[in-house]
Amino acid sequence: GESVGLHLPTLSVQEGDNSIINCAYSNSASDYFIWYKQESGKGPQFIIDIRSNMDKRQGQRVTVLLNKTVKHLSLQIAATQPGDSAVYFCAENGGYQKVTFGTGTKLQVIP
Amino acid sequence: DTAVSQTPKYLVTQMGNDKSIKCEQNLGHDTMYWYKQDSKKFLKIMFSYNNKELIINETVPNRFSPKSPDKAHLNLHINSLELGDSAVYFCASSQGGTASYEQYFGPGTRLTVT
Repeated sequence: GESVGLHLPTLSVQEGDNSIINCAYSNSASDYFIWYKQESGKGPQFIIDIRSNMDKRQGQRVTVLLNKTVKHLSLQIAATQPGDSAVYFCAENGGYQKVTFGTGTKLQVIP
Repeated sequence: DTAVSQTPKYLVTQMGNDKSIKCEQNLGHDTMYWYKQDSKKFLKIMFSYNNKELIINETVPNRFSPKSPDKAHLNLHINSLELGDSAVYFCASSQGGTASYEQYFGPGTRLTVT
């Protein structure tokens, strides 16, 4: 069954603003977390990952924060662009190669 | 070069038919997966193979049968198709091991059962 994320919400952000996408997970034994981006008509694409021994990881324009105490994961996108419009999934690895996906958040960027 | 490819991209068929979806990856990965994505965008893993060996077999009707002829290919055969099988099916691959669980996804196959 579903162990990561909530219902599919939509986040609308003005172009140039920062976006924050949140995710809750339930498996405290998960040791690895990933964010994927899925554009319309395409497969999910890896954005950034973080291991459970870290609480923050930065990439290009993206930052992932992990709070193990409350089992919460967030993805921050700086200076959001129209090309960032997509559905974003958090995912967790709770066992060997078995990655469980959350329900996703749709990000709409307003030009 | 396409990393993970699936055929066909669209598949429209009637209830009761049998159909197959093919997947190939040219990344040299050891592990391949099948996922089902429903109309609400929920992605659920169905199967996973590592070096042609089945390692994950989720609660999926036995009408679904994966087959991995070699580690670069993972096909999905579906017997006696039902309306509820309509979804987008994604193939994915990953290197395997514990260094990274990053998965590379194919473009998806949209299956419509009428």
